[in-house]
Amino acid sequence: GNSVTQMEGPVTLSEEAFLTINCTYTATGYPSLFWYVQYPGEGLQLLLKATKADDKGSNKGFEATYRKETTSFHLEKGSVQVSDSAVYFCALIPQGGSEKLVFGKGTKLTVNP
Amino acid sequence: GEEVAQTPKHLVRGEGQKAKLYCAPIKGHSYVFWYQQVLKNEFKFLISFQNENVFDETGMPKERFSAKCLPNSPCSLEIQATKLEDSAVYFCASSQYRGNQPQHFGDGTRLSIL
Repeated sequence: GNSVTQMEGPVTLSEEAFLTINCTYTATGYPSLFWYVQYPGEGLQLLLKATKADDKGSNKGFEATYRKETTSFHLEKGSVQVSDSAVYFCALIPQGGSEKLVFGKGTKLTVNP
Repeated sequence: GEEVAQTPKHLVRGEGQKAKLYCAPIKGHSYVFWYQQVLKNEFKFLISFQNENVFDETGMPKERFSAKCLPNSPCSLEIQATKLEDSAVYFCASSQYRGNQPQHFGDGTRLSIL
């Protein structure tokens, strides 16, 4: 079946540190891949997406590259800010499927000043 | 509207009571999705609609859960005879088209069963 595995948290960083949150997936064909962010008490916001192999999604300084050969979609940011503290979810929509999102379990990021 | 609007924000019910949640998708979006977020952040897909038609209901516990999307009305998710395990945050999302389009989420309804 389809699944997403992302690194266990929580992750605690100092401001301006480099961030990597690992995400790997299991799916047939070419799923579309997403990163969503959930700030405390809020809903999910789409952070970035990639729909085909080697695509790079980017937004607000965050980047992730769709790697078909390693079935990965790792999230990176060069210099985190306190305002980036949130829970990050990697997700996929299977190719040719019902359009439902399959989520990883989320990684909580805390950035300290 | 430009946002997915969910009401109420918080709903408290005694065990065995009925709970009804509402979702107004973004105007012009044809697809509506319901997800349940339980402890430790796990998301579970419940049901999706294409306009007023059920698109995928593979995640619905059919004995007590039902959902509708009727024309010119908010979509609804109803839980009959609630159980403690139904306590969760229920999120609605909408998307414009098929083809792996991003889903836009509401702020969720927190359901607490006492």
